[in-house]
Amino acid sequence: QKEVEQNSGPLSVPEGAIASLNCTYSDRVSQSFFWYRQYSGKSPELIMSIYSNGDKEDGRFTAQLNKASQYVSLLIRDSQPSDSATYLCAVNMVSGGSNYKLTFGKGTLLTVNP
Amino acid sequence: DVKVTQSSRYLVKRTGEKVFLECVQDMDHENMFWYRQDPGLGLRLIYFSYDVKMKEKGDIPEGYSVSREKKERFSLILESASTNQTSMYLCASHRVTNYGYTFGSGTRLTVV
Repeated sequence: QKEVEQNSGPLSVPEGAIASLNCTYSDRVSQSFFWYRQYSGKSPELIMSIYSNGDKEDGRFTAQLNKASQYVSLLIRDSQPSDSATYLCAVNMVSGGSNYKLTFGKGTLLTVNP
Repeated sequence: DVKVTQSSRYLVKRTGEKVFLECVQDMDHENMFWYRQDPGLGLRLIYFSYDVKMKEKGDIPEGYSVSREKKERFSLILESASTNQTSMYLCASHRVTNYGYTFGSGTRLTVV
């Protein structure tokens, strides 16, 4: 069974701190990795994508990928209360020929305390 | 802006009813997906479709069917609703293989 694992949390950080969210995946051939943010009662929203090893920065968000370790992470700098949400890690898994579908982790609940 | 529209935000149905959940995307995406999301269980894939009239079972297809007669529309059907199908249902679509999904706003279904 191809899997994506995340700590369920909750992860609690003070306002202004760095929040670090981690994800591991089982399928070595995966090529595409995504982070979604989901506010309570809302649908997931894509916030970051990463395809190659290293870091990718977008504003206060940095995604990090290490394919050798099958590990992807999301750093949120200067965390704000509005960042409080569940963060879902998603990894593409090949499904039938050239098609693929995303496999999602169960998510990490982040709480940023004022 | 890319849009995936789910026809109902909240829905209450009775046990045994046939229920239709509609999803429409305006992005000309080939691939569409139906998930349900429950506390502690995460997103679970019900069915997906890579093209018109094509469908594939996901991880939890039992009790559900789907229809994709047009590229932009993907319908989820609960043949005979049961209380254990009370959940948040999310539709998603995507086109290029290396881009993430776009989700609809979700339908919270309650079966009583």
